Amino acid sequence: RKEVEQDPGPFNVPEGATVAFNCTYSNSASQSFFWYRQDCRKEPKLLMSVYSSGNEDGRFTAQLNRASQYISLLIRDSKLSDSATYLCVVTLGGGYQKVTFGIGTKLQVIP
Amino acid sequence: DVKVTQSSRYLVKRTGEKVFLECVQDMDHENMFWYRQDPGLGLRLIYFSYDVKMKEKGDIPEGYSVSREKKERFSLILESASTNQTSMYLCASRGTGGTYEQYFGPGTRLTVT
Repeated sequence: RKEVEQDPGPFNVPEGATVAFNCTYSNSASQSFFWYRQDCRKEPKLLMSVYSSGNEDGRFTAQLNRASQYISLLIRDSKLSDSATYLCVVTLGGGYQKVTFGIGTKLQVIP
Repeated sequence: DVKVTQSSRYLVKRTGEKVFLECVQDMDHENMFWYRQDPGLGLRLIYFSYDVKMKEKGDIPEGYSVSREKKERFSLILESASTNQTSMYLCASRGTGGTYEQYFGPGTRLTVT
């Protein structure tokens, strides 16, 4: 089983739609969770951290379910500019804090 | 703003050549990383360094080595380039503590012919 699993998509959604991505992780000792965004031919950039209580940043909501070992990202009122690949990132604790990236979920918002 | 720069955006090398990829960060970060990114495989960690002259193997270190002589600079070396090392190479840096956010450079697309 992969350490971090994501549906690669693509998810094709119309503007204004709500879309959700899930990401599952295999190591129950994982401590920190993030969503990164990567535009085509660009480097990944942090979108948001994911906290146990869930967190929201404008149209974006991230949630963590430790019991089922998954994190989710919800995007409301999709914009054309949201088209990108969304990478799930899981960090193990300890001295080094091993970081594992998912393969990413591609989102295409259609006019 | 954190800035991570990489020496080249595009590089074409021949099989068997020795290749150097340079990465520089300006935020005094202790941790630096080299990844490669391939379609369907995502980002895979090659090597990382948590301090000057310190290095640790990542998930796919074979065929690569690294050097960190100064805190701000982390180099990836392909001792004898092969066609299966054609890929996008991404460098990242991260401070200690805080959010563990990694800051990435723009990437180097390496083609080995």
